[in-house]
Amino acid sequence: ETGVTQTPRHLVMGMTNKKSLKCEQHLGHNAMYWYKQSAKKPLELMFVYNFKEQTENNSVPSRFSPECPNSSHLFLHLHTLQPEDSALYLCASSPLGQASSGANVLTFGAGSRLTVL
Amino acid sequence: AQSVTQLGSHVSVSEGALVLLRCNYSSSVPPYLFWYVQYPNQGLQLLLKYTSAATLVKGINGFEAEFKKSETSFHLTKPSAHMSDAAEYFCAVSGSGNEKLTFGTGTRLTIIP
Repeated sequence: ETGVTQTPRHLVMGMTNKKSLKCEQHLGHNAMYWYKQSAKKPLELMFVYNFKEQTENNSVPSRFSPECPNSSHLFLHLHTLQPEDSALYLCASSPLGQASSGANVLTFGAGSRLTVL
Repeated sequence: AQSVTQLGSHVSVSEGALVLLRCNYSSSVPPYLFWYVQYPNQGLQLLLKYTSAATLVKGINGFEAEFKKSETSFHLTKPSAHMSDAAEYFCAVSGSGNEKLTFGTGTRLTIIP
């Protein structure tokens, strides 16, 4: 276990369904992220939360709706998705205030493999 | 803005041979550079990072990388490949320790027995 747990690991949904992805970390980190990983493309940063506040929305379509109720939990609510949204969705977390060490290292979960039919 | 280019989407080496995965970066500020590894059905795991200290960085599992400013490179090497090294490797760059990492497209490493 990496310290970041994602559920479900696999999800198949129709375009009219509503589902949610869950991410949980108990590393004491204060920043959480959603990334999208598609074949042959760089990882795409979707959302960033710092201390439960959204600080980054990388032009993500509104059919993806994030929620961060506390610093340990992050959700990605999905509705009316398209087949091109099929991908591996990775959650990550990191501590803040690491400027003195020069790098803010991310810890990733194992991902949720989403297939949209 | 920062970017990375990983040369070669697929690399195959024989077990026991040298592993060399290439990464070139572009950054308008002094960069922080990372290599992450992704094993099948898993998330990304940090291998090593460069944060403006020593230019030769040693990571886990016998991997190391050297920061070469003149060549804007941060290539990943391992003297002797092991079957367990088969995975996808991602180079990433950020600036000034902020949370935005820019990833490369990845290099899939195959080890030939």
